[in-house]
Amino acid sequence: EPEVTQTPSHQVTQMGQEVILRCVPISNHLYFYWYRQILGQKVEFLVSFYNNEISEKSEIFDDQFSVERPDGSNFTLKIRSTKLEDSAMYFCASSSGTDSYTFGSGTRLTVV
Amino acid sequence: SQQGEEDPQALSIQEGENATMNCSYKTSINNLQWYRQNSGRGLVHLILIRSNEREKHSGRLRVTLDTSKKSSSLLITASRAADTASYFCATRPGSSASKIIFGSGTRLSIRP
Repeated sequence: EPEVTQTPSHQVTQMGQEVILRCVPISNHLYFYWYRQILGQKVEFLVSFYNNEISEKSEIFDDQFSVERPDGSNFTLKIRSTKLEDSAMYFCASSSGTDSYTFGSGTRLTVV
Repeated sequence: SQQGEEDPQALSIQEGENATMNCSYKTSINNLQWYRQNSGRGLVHLILIRSNEREKHSGRLRVTLDTSKKSSSLLITASRAADTASYFCATRPGSSASKIIFGSGTRLSIRP
């Protein structure tokens, strides 16, 4: 069964540092997403990406965040200057459009 | 406003019993999906029901949707220890191209 792959599984970073979270979506999917889940809280939408541009983003996705599909297979989330409150599980997902998503197993980001 | 709120927040039942979880939402939707999350892991898609459907089955899962009440229920029959997880409903708002919005989830524990 096709999978969404996320790397790394766990990232520890110093406050103020830049981090890049990587995802390889399912190859024939057209829509890509990032969600995050702060420990013990609900899964929150960050951004959706279609046709090489952001199609929707939430209030959380401010100027510190950016997404990129650099080479047609990877889909990355960059946080420019991490804050303590960015510590969370970050999930990448892809879909063919209107149906279900396939989620990766997540990257646990710890900002210290 | 919150979109997708589950109840109960936590449910503990004996193995073999049925588990019912409910989800309410506020805006019009295209579809509603249920996901499972084992502790510290990724989100696994269980079932999708479209706004023009009222009931759907998949194995031991039964989902209902009442768009007039803006609510859905997930029934797991003959529960097993392996069903222990958090269960989330996620709605695709009618106004959105493709994003889904998660509820706060129900933590289900199956006692052996």
